[in-house]
Amino acid sequence: KNEVEQSPQNLTAQEGEFITINCSYSVGISALHWLQQHPGGGIVSLFMLSSGKKKHGRLIATINIQEKHSSLHITASHPRDSAVYICAARKIGNQFYFGTGTSLTVIP
Amino acid sequence: DGGITQSPKYLFRKEGQNVTLSCEQNLNHDAMYWYRQDPGQGLRLIYYSQIVNDFQKGDIAEGYSVSREKKESFPLTVTSAQKNPTAFYLCASSISLSSGANVLTFGAGSRLTVL
Repeated sequence: KNEVEQSPQNLTAQEGEFITINCSYSVGISALHWLQQHPGGGIVSLFMLSSGKKKHGRLIATINIQEKHSSLHITASHPRDSAVYICAARKIGNQFYFGTGTSLTVIP
Repeated sequence: DGGITQSPKYLFRKEGQNVTLSCEQNLNHDAMYWYRQDPGQGLRLIYYSQIVNDFQKGDIAEGYSVSREKKESFPLTVTSAQKNPTAFYLCASSISLSSGANVLTFGAGSRLTVL
């Protein structure tokens, strides 16, 4: 069983829709990261969360430490949001555990 | 601009050859990592290093070797002992800030194909 589980695995949305990607983890963590990977392969860090909620533009990330669950929301989705979104849990110390990713396609 | 530089971006290797993937960072991060990414799987840790001249095996270290002679550099050698080396390799670095925040940065990746 993976320490980090993401859902859904694949997601297709119409432009403008509100999108939610979920991440559950089973280990004690010091922080949780949301990452974005475009088809070229490079990975960009979107958020680092240790509690509460963060917002950057149309992206919102939340975390519930007690429930060991985090969500990434995209409001007013756009085709350029199409990418793979990866949840990464940072354990105490400096190791990370990664979800398998959610492949998002936004259709114009 | 600070970041992580991985090279080469694409690499082809014949079976039985060792190859070395370069990873250089100018972020002054202490920790560096090598991950392997295969289709349908999450990133898997090959090796990581917290400080210079020290590194630890990750979950899939067999057939790989690393060195950390300088803070900025963490090269990965894929040896002929790695049975299935064709994959996308990502180098990353991280630092924990005094604020409690943790920064995680990735390179653009190196795609290795064994012919």
